[in-house]
Amino acid sequence: GIQVEQSPPDLILQEGANSTLRCNFSDSVNNLQWFHQNPWGQLINLFYIPSGTKQNGRLSATTVATERYSLLYISSSQTTDSGVYFCAVATSGSRLTFGEGTQLTVNP
Amino acid sequence: DSGVTQTPKHLITATGQRVTLRCSPRSGDLSVYWYQQSLDQGLQFLIQYYNGEERAKGNILERFSAQQFPDLHSELNLSSLELGDSALYFCASSVGGQAYGYTFGSGTRLTVV
Repeated sequence: GIQVEQSPPDLILQEGANSTLRCNFSDSVNNLQWFHQNPWGQLINLFYIPSGTKQNGRLSATTVATERYSLLYISSSQTTDSGVYFCAVATSGSRLTFGEGTQLTVNP
Repeated sequence: DSGVTQTPKHLITATGQRVTLRCSPRSGDLSVYWYQQSLDQGLQFLIQYYNGEERAKGNILERFSAQQFPDLHSELNLSSLELGDSALYFCASSVGGQAYGYTFGSGTRLTVV
């Protein structure tokens, strides 16, 4: 099956810093989503982005499908951004394969 | 509130027992997905239903089964529980049969003792 690799596995930032999270995938995809799992375990959909660029406030994402990677940018990070960020992909149909996530800690 | 409702939020049960997890999808969503999140396996797809029919199956154990009812709510049944079944079980829903725009519920944390 498709492989999804996320980097870095862990990231510690000071409040106000910017960061870039990366997701590499091993096959062509028709679906790519970024999720944030907060410290209470809730999974929040950030972006549906199989290709192109999207922005939502301080977050933006870019997927270069031809090169099989996606990037999630977090600007002016806040403590509430802490948690695990997951990239998930599907090659066909609806079954999402998740990466192992990036654990982000933002310190005040 | 994401609009996807899962009950119960927490469940503690003994090995060998059977439990049922319930999920109500977001209004208008026809697809329901079940995922298991454990420390050693990460987030794993279990099964998908679309408008009452099974659409896709993942690494779901034979001891586990699911169904989607006419009102579109879904239940995941876990039987002959083992310690290793302890995990967070998520339900998600989307409008169509594809995985476009998943919305996750808050999960059911199952602890098998």
